[in-house]
Amino acid sequence: EAGVAQSPRYKIIEKRQSVAFWCNPISGHATLYWYQQILGQGPKLLIQFQNNGVVDDSQLPKDRFSAERLKGVDSTLKIQPAKLEDSAVYLCASSYGDPGRGETQYFGPGTRLLVL
Amino acid sequence: AQSVTQLGSHVSVSEGALVLLRCNYSSSVPPYLFWYVQYPNQGLQLLLKYTSAATLVKGINGFEAEFKKSETSFHLTKPSAHMSDAAEYFCAVSGGGGNKLTFGTGTQLKVEL
Repeated sequence: EAGVAQSPRYKIIEKRQSVAFWCNPISGHATLYWYQQILGQGPKLLIQFQNNGVVDDSQLPKDRFSAERLKGVDSTLKIQPAKLEDSAVYLCASSYGDPGRGETQYFGPGTRLLVL
Repeated sequence: AQSVTQLGSHVSVSEGALVLLRCNYSSSVPPYLFWYVQYPNQGLQLLLKYTSAATLVKGINGFEAEFKKSETSFHLTKPSAHMSDAAEYFCAVSGGGGNKLTFGTGTQLKVEL
């Protein structure tokens, strides 16, 4: 079974530029998550999708971050414009069901973003 | 809101020694608890999870964890450390009225010869 795929793996941009990350979840997984992991910290949930719909985006900085999940499969996360504090690893995960029922989340390798 | 606290951001053990990584949770109702491992430049991999079926949970790579409700703990152990265990370990909680997975700050495990 193929795992969660993410691209690119690394990205370096200047502040105020825009950047986009792509995620392809495990086939059949209805729930998709984007996390931000700052160095030395645990992952923080940015947004959670259930199929096409957003379940939780309470910690997504909506003035600069946006995400979409078209057709309930692939997803993209965009930052525009980027700030220095956005430097982090962006992890995508997917699960069959929702975490409130103890479903296991499977993580991709992440995209390491450096904003200069 | 549910949360987890991992005591010790860095733990160092000798190869062959007992590994003990501590995790305490906060939840008003029985939660689901997870341990994930992250190797350098990789995503998170599930080690084990507690879903109320049994208090002692066995995971991959010889790790296990015991759910202790009276102590609100879910510590991770391994009888004998191997060099390949060097990584960062995250405890996480979900359920208990919450619908998302909340991670601790992580513990970096170093294994020395």
